[in-house]
Amino acid sequence: DTAVSQTPKYLVTQMGNDKSIKCEQNLGHDTMYWYKQDSKKFLKIMFSYNNKELIINETVPNRFSPKSPDKAHLNLHINSLELGDSAVYFCASSNFAGTANEKLFFGSGTQLSVL
Amino acid sequence: AQTVTQSQPEMSVQEAETVTLSCTYDTSESDYYLFWYKQPPSRQMILVIRQEAYKQQNATENRFSVNFQKAAKSFSLKISDSQLGDAAMYFCAYPNTGNQFYFGTGTSLTVIP
Repeated sequence: DTAVSQTPKYLVTQMGNDKSIKCEQNLGHDTMYWYKQDSKKFLKIMFSYNNKELIINETVPNRFSPKSPDKAHLNLHINSLELGDSAVYFCASSNFAGTANEKLFFGSGTQLSVL
Repeated sequence: AQTVTQSQPEMSVQEAETVTLSCTYDTSESDYYLFWYKQPPSRQMILVIRQEAYKQQNATENRFSVNFQKAAKSFSLKISDSQLGDAAMYFCAYPNTGNQFYFGTGTSLTVIP
């Protein structure tokens, strides 16, 4: 069983479209995250979310929005896609008991290509 | 603001030799954790090792060990007896108090047979 699964693995779409990436974790973790990895392999936090709080990195455009139907899922919606959104998007999860010591479990990534 | 710096974009090592990857970080916290993650060509992010800042003893996991210098805010990764499967991007990471991880820019490690 995959601990953190995200779909699709690859997503090719036209500029201006709206798309979603789904993420599910079966680890019972209380916190989920989205990270963006650009073409230079730089990994940057976009969001973290648990049932109490959504923390949004200030540099993330409001075209990006996380949606969590329940504790095990955190989907990423992207509106009006732009060329610069092309990247690999990683979902991750961890338990966060108020101390920053829990490792992240990552999904296998979604490579988004905007044409 | 927390920052993590990896000053070596690329490194190479002969198979069976030892290599050290550098990482420095900035934080005003006194108690924290540091991590090294590996990303092979498969793209999967894999935890290599974790260090607790309040522990003076350097963490080790089989062939992987760290040299943690708290005062210098340095956290290097040593890979001993390098194997072909060690070829990957290696990321140093620091989680803030909200457990949001800040990653360095990565070091691409090549293992030469």
